[in-house]
Amino acid sequence: NAGVTQTPKFQVLKTGQSMTLQCAQDMNHEYMSWYRQDPGMGLRLIHYSVGAGITDQGEVPNGYNVSRSTTEDFPLRLLSAAPSQTSVYFCASSRRGSSGANVLTFGAGSRLTVL
Amino acid sequence: AQTVTQSQPEMSVQEAETVTLSCTYDTSESDYYLFWYKQPPSRQMILVIRQEAYKQQNATENRFSVNFQKAAKSFSLKISDSQLGDAAMYFCAYRSPSGGTSYGKLTFGQGTILTVHP
Repeated sequence: NAGVTQTPKFQVLKTGQSMTLQCAQDMNHEYMSWYRQDPGMGLRLIHYSVGAGITDQGEVPNGYNVSRSTTEDFPLRLLSAAPSQTSVYFCASSRRGSSGANVLTFGAGSRLTVL
Repeated sequence: AQTVTQSQPEMSVQEAETVTLSCTYDTSESDYYLFWYKQPPSRQMILVIRQEAYKQQNATENRFSVNFQKAAKSFSLKISDSQLGDAAMYFCAYRSPSGGTSYGKLTFGQGTILTVHP
């Protein structure tokens, strides 16, 4: 059981380049989300999805796009990378239902550096 | 919007001693969930403990326990018999139960780096 898988683990981009961070989960979780982690600021929500075909913005959505065509996958796209997007990115998923099942499962994180 | 504050950027403890990490939050909701996550150098986010606001009893998981003060909006984490493996960044997080889209949305504090000295 792989859980939440993020790729790549590390990436260096130049300003203006585009890229996609991949996220896949094999737990049939309805909810998936992307967070970014910056020093002194904790984790902040970028985008989230409550199911295939449904996405919404979080706290810091500017500069990022998402889509959810399947239950398993939730890619995060940077259309034109900026140095301010240098961060560690986490994908996380959870199931709906009883409170015990609502704990987020996190991926291992992706460190992105934009030069 | 809810906010979560961790006022201790860094804490240290001697091995086998007890340490308490502080967390306060701001909300107008009466029912919610609170979490402590551990992030070791591997970067993996690991759930340490969870508290439902409607439960008065403080949650406990082995050496980890919380002091949940709902009126004061305080949620501190106590680590007893600290071990070298407890060294990590610790995050306090809040989740609202309201609405079907709330489950995946956590609001995190800034984090506290815990150092454990042998």
